Amino acid sequence: NADVMQNPRHLVRRRGQEARLRCSPMKGHSHVYWYRQLPEEGLKFMVYLQKENIIDESGMPKERFSAEFPKEGPSILRIQQVVRGDSAAYFCASSLAGSTDTQYFGPGTRLTVL
Amino acid sequence: KNQVEQSPQSLIILEGKNCTLQCNYTVSPFSNLRWYKQDTGRGPVSLTIMTFSENTKSNGRYTATLDADTKQSSLHITASQLSDSASYICVVKPGSSASKIIFGSGTRLSIRP
Repeated sequence: NADVMQNPRHLVRRRGQEARLRCSPMKGHSHVYWYRQLPEEGLKFMVYLQKENIIDESGMPKERFSAEFPKEGPSILRIQQVVRGDSAAYFCASSLAGSTDTQYFGPGTRLTVL
Repeated sequence: KNQVEQSPQSLIILEGKNCTLQCNYTVSPFSNLRWYKQDTGRGPVSLTIMTFSENTKSNGRYTATLDADTKQSSLHITASQLSDSASYICVVKPGSSASKIIFGSGTRLSIRP
């Protein structure tokens, strides 16, 4: 499957729990981007990673949120001690080259915090 | 401040009709502009990409135009189909390599039979 894969597609967590969202980029892509989309709103950039490096995390909240893209395996967006305001759709995109290249999006993970 | 504004926010048209969506941006310097289609519950899919020197680009029934002087782009959809119901997002890449791309809030298009 050559598409960007995200899992889980739906995730339910209670306040205070941790959420782990995974993203496998398209085959051959080494650039990964995470976006958050609140209901009825546009996509908001969170973080841009290249293998083992965070290139731009200017859109990441300073606390509770972290992202990684290890040498092997998927990229992980981790949200600690989730709160209701974290409920959103989280999209991952990947590109072959840098941030000027076309980004291909995954289907998203819908996080619901109870 | 680099911004991308889209209009209208939402639009309802009858199947078979044409429509035009607008995107105005203040990004400078400018690298490229893309239009994405996002179906409900899905990730965005790229429709077109245009650089500074391109005025128009088509993808089937979708035609995008760009006026780099006035910093305006439009997406024209011809002979709309029910499957065109989606959000259409304008995305601008600044010319500075240090700047991240900027997403518009999208236009939510509904096609009625």
